[in-house]
Amino acid sequence: NAGVMQNPRHLVRRRGQEARLRCSPMKGHSHVYWYRQLPEEGLKFMVYLQKENIIDESGMPKERFSAEFPKEGPSILRIQQVVRGDSAAYFCASSPQSDPLWSYNSPLHFGNGTRLTVT
Amino acid sequence: AQTVTQSQPEMSVQEAETVTLSCTYDTSESDYYLFWYKQPPSRQMILVIRQEAYKQQNATENRFSVNFQKAAKSFSLKISDSQLGDAAMYFCASSQGGSEKLVFGKGTKLTVNP
Repeated sequence: NAGVMQNPRHLVRRRGQEARLRCSPMKGHSHVYWYRQLPEEGLKFMVYLQKENIIDESGMPKERFSAEFPKEGPSILRIQQVVRGDSAAYFCASSPQSDPLWSYNSPLHFGNGTRLTVT
Repeated sequence: AQTVTQSQPEMSVQEAETVTLSCTYDTSESDYYLFWYKQPPSRQMILVIRQEAYKQQNATENRFSVNFQKAAKSFSLKISDSQLGDAAMYFCASSQGGSEKLVFGKGTKLTVNP
């Protein structure tokens, strides 16, 4: 059973370009979470999605950032008109149920992240 | 709002020795979970151990154990018989009961010396 797959592993964009980050959750998982890790910082929650629904986007910047998780295909985190401050590692995590903390197993399965560098 | 504080940016330990990583948190919730995650250079976030706040017994996973002091809002991680493969960033995290949002500390970089 493949883990959470994120691609690309590394992404370089110039200021003003768009960045698209992809996340395929583990098989059987229908809940996806995006976190951002700035240099020398811990991960910070951005958004929680279920298939075709945004459940909680309280951690998303109000402008330029959007996320989707379509019925078919991976979840996409899109950053428009990137700026240098967007440079970070972006992590995706998935879980099989709406309340993973009650699961006996690991509550969240993380991918290896996408490192975005804005030049 | 929940906060998690890791006061040790870096720690080092000799192979086979024991090391304790500190973590304090602040929450107004009565129902919450606490976690330690390991992040090796590969960047993957690996769950090391977790503790349910309502459980008084400290969680243990092989060489990893926690000292959970609920009144003091302290949640330290003890690594026994340290191995070279334990070298990584360690993040303490908390969540509210029923919430999927984790709040992370800034991490502690652990070096294991041979």
